[in-house]
Amino acid sequence: NAGVTQTPKFQVLKTGQSMTLQCAQDMNHEYMSWYRQDPGMGLRLIHYSVGAGITDQGEVPNGYNVSRSTTEDFPLRLLSAAPSQTSVYFCASSLNRDEQYFGPGTRLTVT
Amino acid sequence: GENVEQHPSTLSVQEGDSAVIKCTYSDSASNYFPWYKQELGKRPQLIIDIRSNVGEKKDQRIAVTLNKTAKHFSLHITETQPEDSAVYFCAARSYGGSQGNLIFGKGTKLSVKP
Repeated sequence: NAGVTQTPKFQVLKTGQSMTLQCAQDMNHEYMSWYRQDPGMGLRLIHYSVGAGITDQGEVPNGYNVSRSTTEDFPLRLLSAAPSQTSVYFCASSLNRDEQYFGPGTRLTVT
Repeated sequence: GENVEQHPSTLSVQEGDSAVIKCTYSDSASNYFPWYKQELGKRPQLIIDIRSNVGEKKDQRIAVTLNKTAKHFSLHITETQPEDSAVYFCAARSYGGSQGNLIFGKGTKLSVKP
């Protein structure tokens, strides 16, 4: 049981580049979410999904896209990277939106 | 929507002392309040949670109290140890508000000095 996995662990992008952060879970959780963590700002919700084929915006969705074609996978796409998107990104899954199981995180730097 | 305020932002205690972290929330419909611990470079992990029908919950050296009238809840750590050093996040979830998602506080960095 791997839990929640994320790839890559580290990434450096140039302004304007696009990329996809991968997230997968093997706990058969319907609810999945993406957070960004910035110093002094806590964890802010970017996008979330309550099941395959259903996604919605969180607190800070601008500049990011998501899709949920399977229960297991929930990739986050950066369309045109900006320095303001430099952050640590956490994917999480939950059975019922209560206890969140977080992945190990992706540290993204945009230059 | 829900707003969660967390204080203090940093807390330094001597080993063996108690530590208290406080959070307030704005949505009176919120009814689930978890606490997460994040060690340096690691992922956040749930350490304790409380629901609105309970006033207090304990698990060994940690406890959480909830005051629904005042809309605040607190994390209490007794007999602190160096391994308690971490960032702690509170959160609140309203099943009707904020789209039913968890809203996190900004975190408290706890340092336990040996």
